[in-house]
Amino acid sequence: KNEVEQSPQNLTAQEGEFITINCSYSVGISALHWLQQHPGGGIVSLFMLSSGKKKHGRLIATINIQEKHSSLHITASHPRDSAVYICAVGTHSLGKLIFGTGTRLQVFP
Amino acid sequence: DSGVTQTPKHLITATGQRVTLRCSPRSGDLSVYWYQQSLDQGLQFLIQYYNGEERAKGNILERFSAQQFPDLHSELNLSSLELGDSALYFCASSVQGGTGNEKLFFGSGTQLSVL
Repeated sequence: KNEVEQSPQNLTAQEGEFITINCSYSVGISALHWLQQHPGGGIVSLFMLSSGKKKHGRLIATINIQEKHSSLHITASHPRDSAVYICAVGTHSLGKLIFGTGTRLQVFP
Repeated sequence: DSGVTQTPKHLITATGQRVTLRCSPRSGDLSVYWYQQSLDQGLQFLIQYYNGEERAKGNILERFSAQQFPDLHSELNLSSLELGDSALYFCASSVQGGTGNEKLFFGSGTQLSVL
């Protein structure tokens, strides 16, 4: 079993829909990261969480430390949100991020 | 633009060869991290340097080595290349490193193709 599990693996949505991507982990963490990777390959860090909830524009990330679970929500989805979203957890050393396998999101107009 | 510069963007070489990937971190960032992304293994952490010293090591093969120079740029050396080394190699930087609560800034990656 992977230490970081994401679901779903693939997600298709119509523009305007509310989207949720889930991440569960089985190790003790110091922080959880949500990353976005566009088709061109570049990776952008969206959020880093150690507790609670963070919001940036239409993106919201939550984490429940007790349940070892995090969610990434996208409100009013747009085709430009189409990307792979990757959950990663940091343990005792930031460098040793453990990555989920990613969720491929496609938003159609 | 993340402020992290990776060169070259693409590299095509043959099995058995040696290549060097270069990374310049954001101004002021002391830590550089190297990651490998392949189709079958996803993203994997290779190695971290902090202010010139190796800080953490991941799934880095013995054929691979890295270093961070006094100006904080880093190089990843891959030798005796095999077909399976074909992958996207990312570097990232952060201000400090090792605290677990720092945002990472990623370069655009180097696509290595070993033929």
